[in-house]
Amino acid sequence: AQSVTQLGSHVSVSEGALVLLRCNYSSSVPPYLFWYVQYPNQGLQLLLKYTSAATLVKGINGFEAEFKKSETSFHLTKPSAHMSDAAEYFCAVSTGANNLFFGTGTRLTVIP
Amino acid sequence: DADVTQTPRNRITKTGKRIMLECSQTKGHDRMYWYRQDPGLGLRLIYYSFDVKDINKGEISDGYSVSRQAQAKFSLSLESAIPNQTALYFCATGSGSTDTQYFGPGTRLTVL
Repeated sequence: AQSVTQLGSHVSVSEGALVLLRCNYSSSVPPYLFWYVQYPNQGLQLLLKYTSAATLVKGINGFEAEFKKSETSFHLTKPSAHMSDAAEYFCAVSTGANNLFFGTGTRLTVIP
Repeated sequence: DADVTQTPRNRITKTGKRIMLECSQTKGHDRMYWYRQDPGLGLRLIYYSFDVKDINKGEISDGYSVSRQAQAKFSLSLESAIPNQTALYFCATGSGSTDTQYFGPGTRLTVL
């Protein structure tokens, strides 16, 4: 069975500071991993995905995530937070069987 | 124009009423999904369809039904709405072998 755990339902960072959102997954087979972002009153937008190619994945808006099999992690980072990064972020896992399993989300607040 | 559209965007209804939420896509994807989002619970899968003749229950299908009228259309019905079905509902489409999904803007449903 597949599952995702996002540590921290709320994260606050100062503008310009490092953003680190944590995601750990459980999968019985090599997974595909995704980060989605949801801005207020909008749908989910794909930020980046890992599909068994390079373990360091770069996404939109300066975000990146690193797949670490030994730690079963896929943490999302951005070197310098911007006010426009304030949103809710969801990690998701799949096994290529056409379904995604989502974490419960992390709400990012950026403090000016 | 948006690739995945949902109608209505907002709906307030009363307990016991029948409600239909509609989803249309222009992405040409075979796979379509319905999720509900509740605060603190992330996204949970209600139903999914891999093609016009294929319908599958997701994690929380009780109280819901779906219809895949065409490749591009997938509707979700609540036969007799109840207050705990108050939530944000998302339609998504999927393609490829990596399970990437693309989301509509959501429908906010309130059941009084």
